[in-house]
Amino acid sequence: AQTVTQSQPEMSVQEAETVTLSCTYDTSESDYYLFWYKQPPSRQMILVIRQEAYKQQNATENRFSVNFQKAAKSFSLKISDSQLGDAAMYFCAYRSARNMRFGAGTRLTVKP
Amino acid sequence: DAGVIQSPRHEVTEMGQEVTLRCKPISGHNSLFWYRQTMMRGLELLIYFNNNVPIDDSGMPEDRFSAKMPNASFSTLKIQPSEPRDSAVYFCASSFYGGRGYGYTFGSGTRLTVV
Repeated sequence: AQTVTQSQPEMSVQEAETVTLSCTYDTSESDYYLFWYKQPPSRQMILVIRQEAYKQQNATENRFSVNFQKAAKSFSLKISDSQLGDAAMYFCAYRSARNMRFGAGTRLTVKP
Repeated sequence: DAGVIQSPRHEVTEMGQEVTLRCKPISGHNSLFWYRQTMMRGLELLIYFNNNVPIDDSGMPEDRFSAKMPNASFSTLKIQPSEPRDSAVYFCASSFYGGRGYGYTFGSGTRLTVV
């Protein structure tokens, strides 16, 4: 079974600085997608960015980018120019043909 | 599209009572998922449907939990009888079956408190 591990329960970043959230996963599949979701205090789960395993190019969405290392099964999220509105829980997720599995989450605090 | 719609947003009930959570997926999505979120266990997949058919209910914790999807636009998750340990946020999500490139679209969740 696929597992997703987020080793950082909490992270903190100064406003306007850059922060990287870590995620590793375990799978025997070759075709899959990886996602990062954001959950602010409103508890809405918001899709931040996605990465296809077959694509070597790292995905980017405005201030959000990933560092995808397929061989190492690593999928980290970099947030540049952090803003107060980025404060939230961030979940890494692995999607196979069957379903999606989530990591335990990283709580990000942004200091003004 | 209004997104995935869940109701109620909050539910407080007494132990032993029946609780029904409701979900309307995004029109055109043919997969529907029920998740439970707690501090201790994080996000757990309870059950999912493809084309209204339950595919995997191995995450349903006990027989007290049941889920139905009578049509493509409606699903329910029922707990009977409810217990305090069922207190959690329950999310419904929908997506395209087979479209792994699509993330799941989540509803706003139902916060259930069983006292």
